[in-house]
Amino acid sequence: AQKVTQAQTEISVVEKEDVTLDCVYETRDTTYYLFWYKQPPSGELVFLIRRNSFDEQNEISGRYSWNFQKSTSSFNFTITASQVVDSAVYFCALSEAGYGGSQGNLIFGKGTKLSVKP
Amino acid sequence: GAVVSQHPSRVICKSGTSVKIECRSLDFQATTMFWYRQFPKQSLMLMATSNEGSKATYEQGVEKDKFLINHASLTLSTLTVTSAHPEDSSFYICSAREPSGTATGELFFGEGSRLTVL
Repeated sequence: AQKVTQAQTEISVVEKEDVTLDCVYETRDTTYYLFWYKQPPSGELVFLIRRNSFDEQNEISGRYSWNFQKSTSSFNFTITASQVVDSAVYFCALSEAGYGGSQGNLIFGKGTKLSVKP
Repeated sequence: GAVVSQHPSRVICKSGTSVKIECRSLDFQATTMFWYRQFPKQSLMLMATSNEGSKATYEQGVEKDKFLINHASLTLSTLTVTSAHPEDSSFYICSAREPSGTATGELFFGEGSRLTVL
């Protein structure tokens, strides 16, 4: 069965610290997609990244970076030099290509609430 | 990127009334839309997959008669919470994939609709 585990429920850091949000997934499919979304207090979901199962190359986008390791089924997200505006709930999600009739709906982890204090 | 819009963003209703939430794809056509529910401080759970021109597919445990879904056009899906009760209070989020009809298209989320049933 598909499953996404975000073991960290809440993390609190001081501004400018680096922080890593963990994500471990389970799937039987060989083709799948992994995502990270940010949900600020306003509630909307902000897409951050999508990575397919065949691309293990790490990615960096500004202060954000992602480490995809198929060997450990992990897709961790690091924020460098965190800022107060990074405070939000971050969700890791999994989509299996052609899952059932839903054409790859997302299975979300429970989210990690990040609080960045000034 | 593509835009998905939900309306209303917030709704408060009395117990026993019905509430309709609209989800629109503004700049693309969506044959499939997904409805998620998010309880406070919880993850997002897929409720149902809305299919244009046919019946919605509901996830296990979701009451079809309670949560009516209609996907009347390629740009509009509606979720009607019938005879709402306080336990239906939640944050409802819709999403649509662009390009539609594929498992590889990017998933775009609406802003979410917060329902409070008194």
